[in-house]
Amino acid sequence: DTGVSQDPRHKITKRGQNVTFRCDPISEHNRLYWYRQTLGQGPEFLTYFQNEAQLEKSRLLSDRFSAERPKGSFSTLEIQRTEQGDSAMYLCASSSTWGGTAYEQYFGPGTRLTVT
Amino acid sequence: LAKTTQPISMDSYEGQEVNITCSHNNIATNDYITWYQQFPSQGPRFIIQGYKTKVTNEVASLFIPADRKSSTLSLPRVSLSDTAVYYCLVGDERDNYGQNFVFGPGTRLSVLP
Repeated sequence: DTGVSQDPRHKITKRGQNVTFRCDPISEHNRLYWYRQTLGQGPEFLTYFQNEAQLEKSRLLSDRFSAERPKGSFSTLEIQRTEQGDSAMYLCASSSTWGGTAYEQYFGPGTRLTVT
Repeated sequence: LAKTTQPISMDSYEGQEVNITCSHNNIATNDYITWYQQFPSQGPRFIIQGYKTKVTNEVASLFIPADRKSSTLSLPRVSLSDTAVYYCLVGDERDNYGQNFVFGPGTRLSVLP
């Protein structure tokens, strides 16, 4: 257990539905990241926050995807009008810019999304 | 953005030392080298990070030659539980590194009894 939690762990939805995932980072970490991972591939960066500010989004991120981090604590990732190609593991990670390396990210267990 | 190249897979036996080499010919002066481990159905886990020469922690060692164009992750006396995918990443923390935080396909290590 890294201290990063994600909910739900599994989500099955029908194409066209909206889904929302939650991530609770390590409390003292100011950076939070979202990744997507498909079978046999490494995690693919989606977006990241420093405190409550969303500083960067992947150029590949569809406008159906939106993320928030209100008050700089937990974060949510919403996918609207899901498509079968959205089926993947969605990973959240956090890190601290104080006293640690930003490349030392702590990952949650992920949310596995299946779109039918 | 420094691209990395690793072997797709490796096999080893319990008790052996495993060395996984990562090539990063275009590494920049300010780039660090970071390795992650990932077990099935789990998120990646930070193993070790280095800039030059050798770094050792309780889990692994990281060897980086003077030209820094490659690095080798060394796992001493592996066990079955070390079966996982290992990722090598290269980048400068000071950049807007989200886009630059690139995991390749990694090296799938299988430890056999």
